[in-house]
Amino acid sequence: AQSVSQHNHHVILSEAASLELGCNYSYGGTVNLFWYVQYPGQHLQLLLKYFSGDPLVKGIKGFEAEFIKSKFSFNLRKPSVQWSDTAEYFCAAFMEYGNKLVFGAGTILRVKS
Amino acid sequence: DAGVTQSPTHLIKTRGQQVTLRCSPKSGHDTVSWYQQALGQGPQFIFQYYEEEERQRGNFPDRFSGHQFPNYSSELNVNALLLGDSALYLCASSLLGQGYNSPLHFGNGTRLTVT
Repeated sequence: AQSVSQHNHHVILSEAASLELGCNYSYGGTVNLFWYVQYPGQHLQLLLKYFSGDPLVKGIKGFEAEFIKSKFSFNLRKPSVQWSDTAEYFCAAFMEYGNKLVFGAGTILRVKS
Repeated sequence: DAGVTQSPTHLIKTRGQQVTLRCSPKSGHDTVSWYQQALGQGPQFIFQYYEEEERQRGNFPDRFSGHQFPNYSSELNVNALLLGDSALYLCASSLLGQGYNSPLHFGNGTRLTVT
């Protein structure tokens, strides 16, 4: 079955620490990958997306993600987190021209000031 | 401003009842998808509507049905509610002309509690 898995459900970091959130998908064909963020009390917002080309994609607020096809991974990174990055992060994928976006379970990030 | 608006924001129903949730897509969008997000889980795809027809459906029973109106707004109906239907229901809109993989814009959701 097509699925997306996120490695950690809860992550706690201090401000200025580096962040890497893991994401793996299970599908051998064409995938389009996304990271969404949900700040407390707000709707899901798109952070960044990968369709093709350069496997290192940059998104809003200093986030970036790297698509590694051989590892079926699309990890999210940020060199230095801020307290305002506290939120829940979801990795998601369209697989093989499907109309449905498949989400991971989410990672709750708490940044301590 | 989310662009996608959902109503109501919260709802409490009793087992066996029926519920209707509503969604207005972002201006200019023509496709509406519905997702269910249970506590501690990621959103799960219910179905998608385009041109007033259901294009694709996720693994949800027939108790879940929907409708899209000519103005692109949409409703999600759930019959014979079960306790397990308690969740946040998310509506997302997109523009099909931008491709099947155009990013989705989400609303704030409707929190449904079934008692």
